[in-house]
Amino acid sequence: GEDVEQSLFLSVREGDSSVINCTYTDSSSTYLYWYKQEPGAGLQLLTYIFSNMDMKQDQRLTVLLNKKDKHLSLRIADTQTGDSAIYFCAESFNAGNNRKLIWGLGTSLAVNP
Amino acid sequence: KAGVTQTPRYLIKTRGQQVTLSCSPISGHRSVSWYQQTPGQGLQFLFEYFSETQRNKGNFPGRFSGRQFSNSRSEMNVSTLELGDSALYLCASSLGPGQGSNYGYTFGSGTRLTVV
Repeated sequence: GEDVEQSLFLSVREGDSSVINCTYTDSSSTYLYWYKQEPGAGLQLLTYIFSNMDMKQDQRLTVLLNKKDKHLSLRIADTQTGDSAIYFCAESFNAGNNRKLIWGLGTSLAVNP
Repeated sequence: KAGVTQTPRYLIKTRGQQVTLSCSPISGHRSVSWYQQTPGQGLQFLFEYFSETQRNKGNFPGRFSGRQFSNSRSEMNVSTLELGDSALYLCASSLGPGQGSNYGYTFGSGTRLTVV
């Protein structure tokens, strides 16, 4: 069945770059998303990429998509302590007349001063 | 504009009781999805409503139900609560469920349900 996998933890030093990786199984995905969840809060959409794109850049965020390997990554440049959160990868694909989202378990990013 | 509003924020119930959670989407959003979030299982999709109709349903027992009103507000109900139902319940709104859409979801802060 459909599945999205992420590593559970990542620890970086403030000012370094963070790279969060995600793999997915469904080759018919249309969009792939990155969401951020801070403690006690809901999920916040960070960015998304259409499946026919290889890369998308948005300020400190860079998304890379390798469709052949079904691998998605989120790079955060100049990571700050405020970036400490759980990051979720999700893939969207068409299921009949509906859109279906499959979520990873989330990567907990710890930024050390 | 106001975000997605979920009420209540926290809830404590005993086993066997039932509970109703509420979600008001962003103005203009007509699709509402519900998720259960637990540390071990991550985000599990419950159901999605659009124009008062259930469009998608996850793999949860019939004790979990929902509905959507004409103003797009949605409620979910859990009957005969079990200890395992303790979780953060998140609601997300979107413009629509549209096939192939890039409509992102905007999440509420969730309702933390504890069953004792």
